[in-house]
Amino acid sequence: EPEVTQTPSHQVTQMGQEVILRCVPISNHLYFYWYRQILGQKVEFLVSFYNNEISEKSEIFDDQFSVERPDGSNFTLKIRSTKLEDSAMYFCASRAWDSPSSKQYFGPGTRLTVT
Amino acid sequence: DQQVKQNSPSLSVQEGRISILNCDYTNSMFDYFLWYKKYPAEGPTFLISISSIKDKNEDGRFTVFLNKSAKHLSLHIVPSQPGDSAVYFCAASALGGGSNYKLTFGKGTLLTVNP
Repeated sequence: EPEVTQTPSHQVTQMGQEVILRCVPISNHLYFYWYRQILGQKVEFLVSFYNNEISEKSEIFDDQFSVERPDGSNFTLKIRSTKLEDSAMYFCASRAWDSPSSKQYFGPGTRLTVT
Repeated sequence: DQQVKQNSPSLSVQEGRISILNCDYTNSMFDYFLWYKKYPAEGPTFLISISSIKDKNEDGRFTVFLNKSAKHLSLHIVPSQPGDSAVYFCAASALGGGSNYKLTFGKGTLLTVNP
């Protein structure tokens, strides 16, 4: 079965530094998402992306966050100036078509640790 | 703001018996419900889903029941196998908001199936 891949698997950074989390969605998928899970808490929606633009973002997704699909295969999440509270697992997901029955496939996640 | 609630953080069952995982929701706009399974160090994996126009969906050992009036759904696994041991997330999505179908997750239930 096709997979969503994410790199790196673990990123350690200092507070205030910029990080870029990378994802390669499934190749024929059109809808892309980032979610995060702070340790011990639920998986939370951050942002959805379709047709090269953000279609929805949560209140977590403030000006410090941005997403990009730079080359038609990668989908990136950038955090400009990391805070301690950004430490979490970040999951990328992709979906093929415009229907709720179109499953979201998740990547294995990137563990971000901000020190 | 817990729109999707999984009130049991853990459940332990014997191999061969039925596992029943429960989920409640509060948002009446939700009309599609999903169960994801998650192993450690992996992303959530889609298991089974149900549309709000149905009250039951079955796939092999897995059955999801939806009670719209009670805003309650449950996942039945029968017979349970040790390989089913994982965290199970209930998730919901709503029509509207464009072609988004972002998922709202519960906190998860850790299922342990004992041999």
